Amino acid sequence: AQSVTQPDIHITVSEGASLELRCNYSYGATPYLFWYVQSPGQGLQLLLKYFSGDTLVQGIKGFEAEFKRSQSSFNLRKPSVHWSDAAEYFCAVGAGFGNEKLTFGTGTRLTIIP
Amino acid sequence: ETGVTQTPRHLVMGMTNKKSLKCEQHLGHNAMYWYKQSAKKPLELMFVYNFKEQTENNSVPSRFSPECPNSSHLFLHLHTLQPEDSALYLCASSPYDRGAQSYTFGSGTRLTVV
Repeated sequence: AQSVTQPDIHITVSEGASLELRCNYSYGATPYLFWYVQSPGQGLQLLLKYFSGDTLVQGIKGFEAEFKRSQSSFNLRKPSVHWSDAAEYFCAVGAGFGNEKLTFGTGTRLTIIP
Repeated sequence: ETGVTQTPRHLVMGMTNKKSLKCEQHLGHNAMYWYKQSAKKPLELMFVYNFKEQTENNSVPSRFSPECPNSSHLFLHLHTLQPEDSALYLCASSPYDRGAQSYTFGSGTRLTVV
């Protein structure tokens, strides 16, 4: 069965600093990987996704993520965070093209300090 | 506004009440989903509908009863709930042929059972 681990429950960074959120997955075949962001009181918004090809994917709001098969990781990065990036971030793995199931991690809450 | 609308945004109900959550999308999607988001737990997939037919029930207790009268509308009927059912209930939709690749989430209904 597929699973996702986000080891950091809560991260605090200063505005303008760089960010890396960790995600490790377990899946028997080539995974379909996603990062979503959830602002307070809101649903989930897709930041980026990886299906195949270039292992470094670019997303919205200046985020990027790198797929590393050898480490079973799909870490999310941003070179310089803004106060508006404060939110909860979820990594998810999907079973494949056309398969509707997503398995989510428990999320990482990001706090930005001035 | 994401294109998936959930009502109400907030709901407080007693354990003996009967209430319904509503989800509506006009994105032309044919698959719709109910997820439960509890504090400090991963999102839990509850139900999946494809072309109005239920294709997955993830061992959800019978006090939750979904209904999908057409591809644009999804309901979750609630009765005799327990306090542990308090959570954020998220609806999502996707084109049937792309599944997890193209989820659009609603903003959720925050349910409190007293």
